[in-house]
Amino acid sequence: DVKVTQSSRYLVKRTGEKVFLECVQDMDHENMFWYRQDPGLGLRLIYFSYDVKMKEKGDIPEGYSVSREKKERFSLILESASTNQTSMYLCASSLERVLYGYTFGSGTRLTVV
Amino acid sequence: GNSVTQMEGPVTLSEEAFLTINCTYTATGYPSLFWYVQYPGEGLQLLLKATKADDKGSNKGFEATYRKETTSFHLEKGSVQVSDSAVYFCALILSGGYNKLIFGAGTRLAVHP
Repeated sequence: DVKVTQSSRYLVKRTGEKVFLECVQDMDHENMFWYRQDPGLGLRLIYFSYDVKMKEKGDIPEGYSVSREKKERFSLILESASTNQTSMYLCASSLERVLYGYTFGSGTRLTVV
Repeated sequence: GNSVTQMEGPVTLSEEAFLTINCTYTATGYPSLFWYVQYPGEGLQLLLKATKADDKGSNKGFEATYRKETTSFHLEKGSVQVSDSAVYFCALILSGGYNKLIFGAGTRLAVHP
């Protein structure tokens, strides 16, 4: 089975800190995605990447950046964390032929205080 | 545009009851359709999928049939268990290019003994 591993299940960070959320997949998937999930707002796409060193903005990229230096790893960076970035963050990956769907990680619940 | 509409929750059922969660879609082209499930505190897991009209996806007693004529992909289960309590997401993706999964808002299911 494809595994998508997010480095932390729970994180607590202070306002203004630089925060790194790491995601690793082990099945050579071309595409990787970062979503945030908030009550009443569903899943919102932050950034995605379809190849190493490539990235595309999703629906809500403001306040975030990403890095994909290796095919298996996709990092989400909060340059200066704010309380409105408190959320559940979900990483996903897929084959280039996305018709097979995505595989999600278990999520990172980030609290910014 | 392309979108997915799910019935609003929460859906509250007694154990062994019949479940239907409605999902309809709007799409330009011929999408693949998915149901994902999210258990409390977890990421999303692929429950089932269908890639063309009249296909039936099934898994763990859940079923959904791709109905092109009604643009629907309703999720059904004949006898729910307490362990089925979760949030269910309907989603679609279109072939070609760097298309991304489009999710519905999710439907929370609560099953009581």
